[in-house]
Amino acid sequence: SQELEQSPQSLIVQEGKNLTINCTSSKTLYGLYWYKQKYGEGLIFLMMLQKGGEEKSHEKITAKLDEKKQQSSLHITASQPSHAGIYLCGAAFGNTPLVFGKGTRLSVIA
Amino acid sequence: GAGVSQSPSNKVTEKGKDVELRCDPISGHTALYWYRQSLGQGLEFLIYFQGNSAPDKSGLPSDRFSAERTGGSVSTLTIQRTQQEDSAVYLCASSLVGQGAGGANVLTFGAGSRLTVL
Repeated sequence: SQELEQSPQSLIVQEGKNLTINCTSSKTLYGLYWYKQKYGEGLIFLMMLQKGGEEKSHEKITAKLDEKKQQSSLHITASQPSHAGIYLCGAAFGNTPLVFGKGTRLSVIA
Repeated sequence: GAGVSQSPSNKVTEKGKDVELRCDPISGHTALYWYRQSLGQGLEFLIYFQGNSAPDKSGLPSDRFSAERTGGSVSTLTIQRTQQEDSAVYLCASSLVGQGAGGANVLTFGAGSRLTVL
């Protein structure tokens, strides 16, 4: 079974629109990581969240971790073509390597 | 180096052949990871090296897969007698500290090696 569920699987938004991607776990998270991947490239680290209720922002991207530390959301404000790519959440469940969701493919159209 | 380097970037091989994929981590990073990314499957953990400890091989899908890390630096992932289902992008990552460091462990990924088995 998949320990991390991401939704939606894919998303097409018009440039300038806001969007949200969710990452849900059935277990408490020790750390939640958001990465972005463009075709043919590796994963680029965006943000890390550790504390329940924590929220971090970088440019127009905001990530939150809920109080129970079982769900995170990634919100992009005023999307741009440069935001297009695959967004993956990765989780630390303890003393084990990160587990990743299957990713959300974002397309931004003019 | 400045980032995680992987080679080759692309590899096409015939079924039954052996392949070696190389990863050169960031200098000073004690932990090194191999993941596999298949279409629609997300990232699948393969193996994890941390310092001088025995590697965590729990993610290796079969005994055809093996990996070593020499001198705590460069790692090689070897796939013997390749099968078509081995076709995927193999990603290597390194981190300054290993897992269990209070959850604060940012992995830096290489660009990956795309393997195609015909």
